[in-house]
Amino acid sequence: RKEVEQDPGPFNVPEGATVAFNCTYSNSASQSFFWYRQDCRKEPKLLMSVYSSGNEDGRFTAQLNRASQYISLLIRDSKLSDSATYLCVVNAPGGYNKLIFGAGTRLAVHP
Amino acid sequence: GAGVSQSPSNKVTEKGKDVELRCDPISGHTALYWYRQSLGQGLEFLIYFQGNSAPDKSGLPSDRFSAERTGGSVSTLTIQRTQQEDSAVYLCASSLRTSGGGSYNEQFFGPGTRLTVL
Repeated sequence: RKEVEQDPGPFNVPEGATVAFNCTYSNSASQSFFWYRQDCRKEPKLLMSVYSSGNEDGRFTAQLNRASQYISLLIRDSKLSDSATYLCVVNAPGGYNKLIFGAGTRLAVHP
Repeated sequence: GAGVSQSPSNKVTEKGKDVELRCDPISGHTALYWYRQSLGQGLEFLIYFQGNSAPDKSGLPSDRFSAERTGGSVSTLTIQRTQQEDSAVYLCASSLRTSGGGSYNEQFFGPGTRLTVL
C-alpha cells in the first residue's frame, strides 16, 4: 500500500463547478498535512495546510479526518487558473520536515 | 527575495556517465532537501540536510547517489554511472530550521533539473 494515496485523475470540470479531491494516508502517527499545487513543468507550491478542525482559504476548503486517515480538498467556483495537479502531502513522523507526497490528482477546468 | 535556484535546468547524459546537480537554497534556510519526480509520479524523498547534523540519506535509491552540502548552503547531488531509470526531474527544497514535536516550516522548491539519461 502506498503511504499516501489520491484519487486517480484527471478531473475535467467546467468553470464554476465545485470539485473535491480525496486522499488517504497510511501512517497514523503523521501529524502535519498539506495540499500542494503543481503546475505543468513547474515546482510544487504550498496551497494550504490542513487542520483537524478544517480550514478554509477563499474558494478552497481542506478537511482532515484522523480516525479514517483521510484528507480532502474542496474547490468551489472553479476558475481556469485552478487547472493544475494537486498533491496530497503528509509529514513522515520523526520530528522534522520529511514529507511524503501523493502522486497527485490532475484538474483541468474548461470554459 | 531570491528563491531556491537549481542548475542546470536540463541535463542530457549518456548511460554510464556521472552527473552533478546543484542547488542554492534560500538565504538563511538551514534545512535542505532533495527529491526526484519521475513522469506521472509523486515526489520521492532522497536526502535531507539540517545544519551541521548528519544528513538523512534514507531515501537515496542506491550507492550511486550521493550529496554534499558545503558551508551549510549550496548542495550538490551526484549520480555516478547513470542509468536510464535515473531519468527524472530532481527537485531541491529549503526551509527554515526544523523543530521537533510535529511542527512544520514550509518547504520552498526550486524549479528542478530535468535529467535525461540516453
